[in-house]
Amino acid sequence: EPEVTQTPSHQVTQMGQEVILRCVPISNHLYFYWYRQILGQKVEFLVSFYNNEISEKSEIFDDQFSVERPDGSNFTLKIRSTKLEDSAMYFCASSSPGGPQHFGDGTRLSIL
Amino acid sequence: QKEVEQDPGPLSVPEGAIVSLNCTYSNSAFQYFMWYRQYSRKGPELLMYTYSSGNKEDGRFTAQVDKSSKYISLFIRDSQPSDSATYLCAMRGGGGGADGLTFGKGTHLIIQP
Repeated sequence: EPEVTQTPSHQVTQMGQEVILRCVPISNHLYFYWYRQILGQKVEFLVSFYNNEISEKSEIFDDQFSVERPDGSNFTLKIRSTKLEDSAMYFCASSSPGGPQHFGDGTRLSIL
Repeated sequence: QKEVEQDPGPLSVPEGAIVSLNCTYSNSAFQYFMWYRQYSRKGPELLMYTYSSGNKEDGRFTAQVDKSSKYISLFIRDSQPSDSATYLCAMRGGGGGADGLTFGKGTHLIIQP
């Protein structure tokens, strides 16, 4: 069964550094998403992406964050100047038109 | 008021029991309702996807949506130890496919052998 894949599974970064989290969505899906889950808290929506542009973003998704689809298969989340509170699990998801969102297994981001 | 409320548990039941998991919500714009299962250090895995009110059955799982009460449920029949996980409800509005999901906090379910 097709699945969303995310790399790396765990990323450790010094505070203030930039990180890029990578995702390969399911191949025939057109909508792409990033979510965040801080330990012990809800899964929170960050941003959705369709037709090479941001479709919707939450108040969490500020100027520190950016997304990109650099080629036909990858979807990335960049976090500039990371802060301690950015430590979380970051999940990528994708969906077909009208279909449910399917999630990857996430990247655990640890900011030191 | 929180948008989606879900009892975090833990909920512990014996193997073979029927499990009932629930969420309430406040936003009447929600039209699509989902249940995901999440094992430790894994991503949410889709179990059920429903639109508007009504019931949907898939194997041992039944999802119910009551929009008039803003209440959704997931029933698991003949529960197995492998069903032990955190169950997340999620929902979104009826707009285009790029709507973000609003999640509940998840219910931690333990099935005792």
